[in-house]
Amino acid sequence: DARVTQTPRDKVTEMGQEVTMRCQPILGHNTVFWYRQTMMQGLELLAYFRNRAPLDDSGMPKDRFSAEMPDATLATLKIQPSEPRDSAVYFCASGLRTDTQYFGPGTRLTVL
Amino acid sequence: RKEVEQDPGPFNVPEGATVAFNCTYSNSASQSFFWYRQDCRKEPKLLMSVYSSGNEDGRFTAQLNRASQYISLLIRDSKLSDSATYLCVVNIRSKLSFGAGTTVTVRA
Repeated sequence: DARVTQTPRDKVTEMGQEVTMRCQPILGHNTVFWYRQTMMQGLELLAYFRNRAPLDDSGMPKDRFSAEMPDATLATLKIQPSEPRDSAVYFCASGLRTDTQYFGPGTRLTVL
Repeated sequence: RKEVEQDPGPFNVPEGATVAFNCTYSNSASQSFFWYRQDCRKEPKLLMSVYSSGNEDGRFTAQLNRASQYISLLIRDSKLSDSATYLCVVNIRSKLSFGAGTTVTVRA
């Protein structure tokens, strides 16, 4: 049963530290999405890639967030420096097109 | 104004009951529509797509009204396992926009 995997599952860090989250999409999926979920804002799209090329990162704070796909099996989301307001659950999802997305289990980030 | 709005609930219903709830969307250019389900502290999972003609999947029925820009979900014969948050999702210009979710709790 193919699944999207994400690491780490939980991360607690202090303000100002760099945080890197990793995602392994389902093999063969060419579209990868990064979302952030908070109680206040719900689920928000941060960025997405198709065939490893970034298509849209308009939902991402550019000054501290960056997203990359070094290869077809790895997507990364980096926050530097992290702030308490970045505390959220970060989901990666993959699919063959926008309509059908399979979500990973998420990374629960707490910034103190 | 949010692109997708939902009644957050919660809807507390007894087992076997029917529960229904709606969501509204603001962008008339929306292309496709879905209901996702999210269990507590888990990832969202696709429950069903929503078509203009209405569609059923077992005990779940989804309807789309493009003229009024709303989507509905009806759950018949509720089970304890139906307890979850149901997210209304709209594809707008090849990006999914998620509602905040409607929480349903089915009690024994």
